[in-house]
Amino acid sequence: QKEVEQDPGPLSVPEGAIVSLNCTYSNSAFQYFMWYRQYSRKGPELLMYTYSSGNKEDGRFTAQVDKSSKYISLFIRDSQPSDSATYLCAMSARNNDMRFGAGTRLTVKP
Amino acid sequence: NAGVTQTPKFQVLKTGQSMTLQCAQDMNHNSMYWYRQDPGMGLRLIYYSASEGTTDKGEVPNGYNVSRLNKREFSLRLESAAPSQTSVYFCASSEDEGLAGGDTQYFGPGTRLTVL
Repeated sequence: QKEVEQDPGPLSVPEGAIVSLNCTYSNSAFQYFMWYRQYSRKGPELLMYTYSSGNKEDGRFTAQVDKSSKYISLFIRDSQPSDSATYLCAMSARNNDMRFGAGTRLTVKP
Repeated sequence: NAGVTQTPKFQVLKTGQSMTLQCAQDMNHNSMYWYRQDPGMGLRLIYYSASEGTTDKGEVPNGYNVSRLNKREFSLRLESAAPSQTSVYFCASSEDEGLAGGDTQYFGPGTRLTVL
């Protein structure tokens, strides 16, 4: 079993839809949770970072962490065609290397 | 600022050949990383360097060596390439030791390597 599980999709939604992306994990030592966005043929870029449990909002993006369920989510409101990319979850324990999900490919259709 | 640059962008090798992937950053970051990205596997850490002069193994170090040449440059070497090393390789850097989170890692554009 992988430490981090992420549905690879692909996920296709119409413009303006609310998108929900999710990851589950098995290592209860993970404390730092991140979401990266990766456009085709580019390197990943950090989108959201959350420490421990809770919610974090940044514009149209909301990250949620539920450590009791070992489940993290990224919500995108009012999705735009420019949001079309692969979204990678990542997480790490203190002083330990990061583990990434396989990525979910999202397409937002105009 | 160019950020993180990688060379080459593409490479095709035959089994058994060797090559070095180059990475440089101009952000004065202390830490640098090498990842590989394979379909369905996500990004996996090969090696990292928390500071100039130090290197440590990541999740999948076998078959690779690294050199932190100076603060700016971190190279990845394949001594005897194998088809299983066909992948996209990303270099990243962060201001401090970003492995534990809380410190943004900046990624380069990647090197697409095929081993025949």
